[in-house]
Amino acid sequence: AQKVTQAQTEISVVEKEDVTLDCVYETRDTTYYLFWYKQPPSGELVFLIRRNSFDEQNEISGRYSWNFQKSTSSFNFTITASQVVDSAVYFCALSESGYGQNFVFGPGTRLSVLP
Amino acid sequence: EADIYQTPRYLVIGTGKKITLECSQTMGHDKMYWYQQDPGMELHLIHYSYGVNSTEKGDLSSESTVSRIRTEHFPLTLESARPSHTSQYLCASSEQGWAKNIQYFGAGTRLSVL
Repeated sequence: AQKVTQAQTEISVVEKEDVTLDCVYETRDTTYYLFWYKQPPSGELVFLIRRNSFDEQNEISGRYSWNFQKSTSSFNFTITASQVVDSAVYFCALSESGYGQNFVFGPGTRLSVLP
Repeated sequence: EADIYQTPRYLVIGTGKKITLECSQTMGHDKMYWYQQDPGMELHLIHYSYGVNSTEKGDLSSESTVSRIRTEHFPLTLESARPSHTSQYLCASSEQGWAKNIQYFGAGTRLSVL
């Protein structure tokens, strides 16, 4: 069965600190996609990144970086030099090719960046 | 930027009322979804649609119903609202085809049933 775990329920950091949000997934499928979404206080989920199971290259986008490791079934998200605007709930999600292509979301991690 | 709209943003209503939450998208996406988000943040898929006249129930059982008469419109209806329906409801859409499965979300409707 597919499952996404985000063990960190809440994280607080001070502005300019680096922070890593953990995501561990379970799947029997060899073909799948992993996602990260950001949910600011306004409520909508904002798409950040999608990675397919055949591409283990790490990705960097500005202050954001993602580390995908199939060996540990992890897809961790790092924010470098955090800012107050990064305060949000972050969701990791899994989509398997054989599961109606729907998403399974993790429980989310609430990040608070303090000034 | 996603063009998916939900109305109302906030709704406070009494028990027993019938309500419809609206969701519209202008991206021409075939697939649309409704999620329920509880106060503990978890998202649960309650309905989805592959296209016009297609509706499916999601993982979480819900007393709500949906319809898909037009590609761009996917309303959710509660025939008789109860306090247990108090939650945030998020609508999303994506292109057809698994390789194009990025879901784009609306801003949500926060429903309170008194």
